[in-house]
Amino acid sequence: QKEVEQDPGPLSVPEGAIVSLNCTYSNSAFQYFMWYRQYSRKGPELLMYTYSSGNKEDGRFTAQVDKSSKYISLFIRDSQPSDSATYLCAMSSYTGGFKTIFGAGTRLFVKA
Amino acid sequence: GAVVSQHPSWVICKSGTSVKIECRSLDFQATTMFWYRQFPKQSLMLMATSNEGSKATYEQGVEKDKFLINHASLTLSTLTVTSAHPEDSSFYICSASIQDTIYFGEGSWLTVV
Repeated sequence: QKEVEQDPGPLSVPEGAIVSLNCTYSNSAFQYFMWYRQYSRKGPELLMYTYSSGNKEDGRFTAQVDKSSKYISLFIRDSQPSDSATYLCAMSSYTGGFKTIFGAGTRLFVKA
Repeated sequence: GAVVSQHPSWVICKSGTSVKIECRSLDFQATTMFWYRQFPKQSLMLMATSNEGSKATYEQGVEKDKFLINHASLTLSTLTVTSAHPEDSSFYICSASIQDTIYFGEGSWLTVV
């Protein structure tokens, strides 16, 4: 079993839709949770960063962490064609040294 | 957010030659940097962890003599692909950690012909 599971998609939605992206993980030691957006042929860009369980909102983006279920989500409201990209979840822990694990990434297409 | 700069953005080299990629943290000091490789439509594969002033820690299966990593200062890490072959063609990305978060460079496309 992989430490982080993320559906690679692709996920195709119409413009204006609410997008839900998810990851599950198995290691309860993870404390820090991130979402990155990666456009084609570019390096990943940090979108959201959360520590432990709870919600965090930034504009059209909301990140949720449920440590009891080992489940994290990223919601995108009023999705735009410019949101079309690959979204990577990531999580970090300090157990045995600082370690970050990335999900496989979900490819999102927002159609105009 | 923190800025990580990577250079060159793309490079073409002949088979058998070596190529160096630089990764700089522009507005912070990074004691630890990471080097990744990414194939098309696949996720990031951690190659090695670069520690300032000490030897890099390589992931299993990554040839340390082929992928030379030097972290000479708190703001610069370099990856040198030695005796490059076409199968080394890939997207190489560096990152640096600050306050428990990782920031990525823009990536470098390497094509070996």
